[in-house]
Amino acid sequence: QITLKESGPTLVKPTQTLTLTCTFSGFSLSTSGVGVGWIRQPPGKALEWLALIYWNDDKRYSPSLKSRLTITKDTSKNQVVLTMTNMDPVDTATYYCAHLYSSPFDYWGQGTLVTVSS
Amino acid sequence: QSALTQPASVSGSPGQSITISCTGTSSDVGGYNYVSWYQQHPGKAPKLMIYEVSNRPSGVSNRFSGSKSGNTASLTISGLQAEDEADYYCSSYTSSSTWVFGGGTKLTVL
Repeated sequence: QITLKESGPTLVKPTQTLTLTCTFSGFSLSTSGVGVGWIRQPPGKALEWLALIYWNDDKRYSPSLKSRLTITKDTSKNQVVLTMTNMDPVDTATYYCAHLYSSPFDYWGQGTLVTVSS
Repeated sequence: QSALTQPASVSGSPGQSITISCTGTSSDVGGYNYVSWYQQHPGKAPKLMIYEVSNRPSGVSNRFSGSKSGNTASLTISGLQAEDEADYYCSSYTSSSTWVFGGGTKLTVL
């Protein structure tokens, strides 16, 4: 049974760096073809893909946010970490992590709401 | 990369069929058979309904089907049910080896 869960601060101040952790079970990020991605959704708005890391440490980022994002993995801990620098109120959103293997984003975490406010 | 284009809303009566379109470019929807569709109920995480244009994951009703023609993909829901009322998002792999989502479509079951 594959599960994912996001964790991190619920409130960050403008200009701060956000660090989110995705802790998963039921699969290994050392298995060929597996990936974990991050997707966010501002309140009342659409999904936005942010980043993805593959089993072989290949990393992909949204072109519009690439300069602010870093994604890493800790295979031994079954965790993927996303950092986003220079947070702004427009980054207020629910942040999801999701599993990718034979099909993209077939399992999702419950999401974590991050509010950016002073 | 720009978001894929979806109609903001569609509606239908129970038992009817509806189709949601998802328009991209030759660099995403038109260039790859990696189009997926997600259903999202309020306050819930998205759920994968269709992958690789027309494949249904195990457990998804066969009332949901997908197709693609050129740069436009489509999700069809037949025999509409009240529980189908939700937001629907398409997604595609891109030529930059990234992923892009559509703007979302709100389905109302009348």
